Amino acid sequence: GQQLNQSPQSMFIQEGEDVSMNCTSSSIFNTWLWYKQDPGEGPVLLIALYKAGELTSNGRLTAQFGITRKDSFLNISASIPSDVGIYFCAGRKGGSEKLVFGKGTKLTVNP
Amino acid sequence: NAGVMQNPRHLVRRRGQEARLRCSPMKGHSHVYWYRQLPEEGLKFMVYLQKENIIDESGMPKERFSAEFPKEGPSILRIQQVVRGDSAAYFCASSTSDRGRETQYFGPGTRLLVL
Repeated sequence: GQQLNQSPQSMFIQEGEDVSMNCTSSSIFNTWLWYKQDPGEGPVLLIALYKAGELTSNGRLTAQFGITRKDSFLNISASIPSDVGIYFCAGRKGGSEKLVFGKGTKLTVNP
Repeated sequence: NAGVMQNPRHLVRRRGQEARLRCSPMKGHSHVYWYRQLPEEGLKFMVYLQKENIIDESGMPKERFSAEFPKEGPSILRIQQVVRGDSAAYFCASSTSDRGRETQYFGPGTRLLVL
């Protein structure tokens, strides 16, 4: 089945640094979502994007819905140790309820 | 308002046994989704159900897997005659019946290990 291309696969950064990750697809999505997953837990929704070009913030997190509707990025500013985890992008096509996920970006923050 | 609940959190089965995974959606949610996650992978859609109806089962394996969401009680994902390749984390999500910008809220998952 289809899966989104998410990069980078992993990141090792120092506390206080900014982080950027992105997701691309060969096809169009109507909704882009960013989730965070901690070990042993389910994904938790961080940001939802519904319109091409939309830029949305949630605290130190900012995400954008690409103008072509085939990509999205997530930025985390001034990272802190609790940002550690795996970040997943997910997309939803028009007329479908199922989410298509990327493989995730594993973030490690060194204090 | 309790979140999505799944049980058991961990399940160990021997090859050939049956696995039954349960999911109670958030209060007021009538849409349930099941996803499977292999190690180091993203989640893969399996099935989407509303009360007493399977809406989309395009991600379900053709054999051994079934799902239901009865009028009363939790949604059940059933795997018959499990094989080692079924070992994975299975997540349930739920959403409201509102059209438009439904958000899927995920449960903590059931980790299935087939010996």
